[in-house]
Amino acid sequence: KNQVEQSPQSLIILEGKNCTLQCNYTVSPFSNLRWYKQDTGRGPVSLTIMTFSENTKSNGRYTATLDADTKQSSLHITASQLSDSASYICVVTDRGSTLGRLYFGRGTQLTVWP
Amino acid sequence: EADIYQTPRYLVIGTGKKITLECSQTMGHDKMYWYQQDPGMELHLIHYSYGVNSTEKGDLSSESTVSRIRTEHFPLTLESARPSHTSQYLCASSGRQQGAWADTQYFGPGTRLTVL
Repeated sequence: KNQVEQSPQSLIILEGKNCTLQCNYTVSPFSNLRWYKQDTGRGPVSLTIMTFSENTKSNGRYTATLDADTKQSSLHITASQLSDSASYICVVTDRGSTLGRLYFGRGTQLTVWP
Repeated sequence: EADIYQTPRYLVIGTGKKITLECSQTMGHDKMYWYQQDPGMELHLIHYSYGVNSTEKGDLSSESTVSRIRTEHFPLTLESARPSHTSQYLCASSGRQQGAWADTQYFGPGTRLTVL
């Protein structure tokens, strides 16, 4: 069964600290993996996209890693800011369907305190 | 900033009412989607469309219906709302940015529906 599991479910850190969010998936055949940021009451916004041949990709203070062999990804946030408080969702696309079926994790709820 | 819009943003209605959630995008995308999301849970695909006059049901069974008469417009309708329909509904469209190798899904801000 194709699944996406994220950990931790929630995380509280102090402003300026770093953190790492985890994503494990069983989706096959694999096409790509995205990390989305979803602010409360808003729709998700794409942060990064990675294919199986990419190990790391950065977008400002966000750095995503991917290990296609172990089917694990992480999102590292550096020097956190209050505006980083949001849900971070891992989304994996399979390449076995015309639609490009997306599998969503439940997200990690990050809270940054001043 | 994605050019995809949803109205209303919040809706509180009584049981048995007919409602239509609006979604429109100005990016010219052929593919559009409706997702349902409960607090702390993953998004579930309930409807999608490849283009005008194309609509399909998603993975999560839903009593809602959709239509796609124009490329930019993908409304979702509930004929008789029930408390079990209380949820957040997210509309999305997907397209390929210039130079990109894969489509990106752009999400609207969502409609928070509460059925009393």
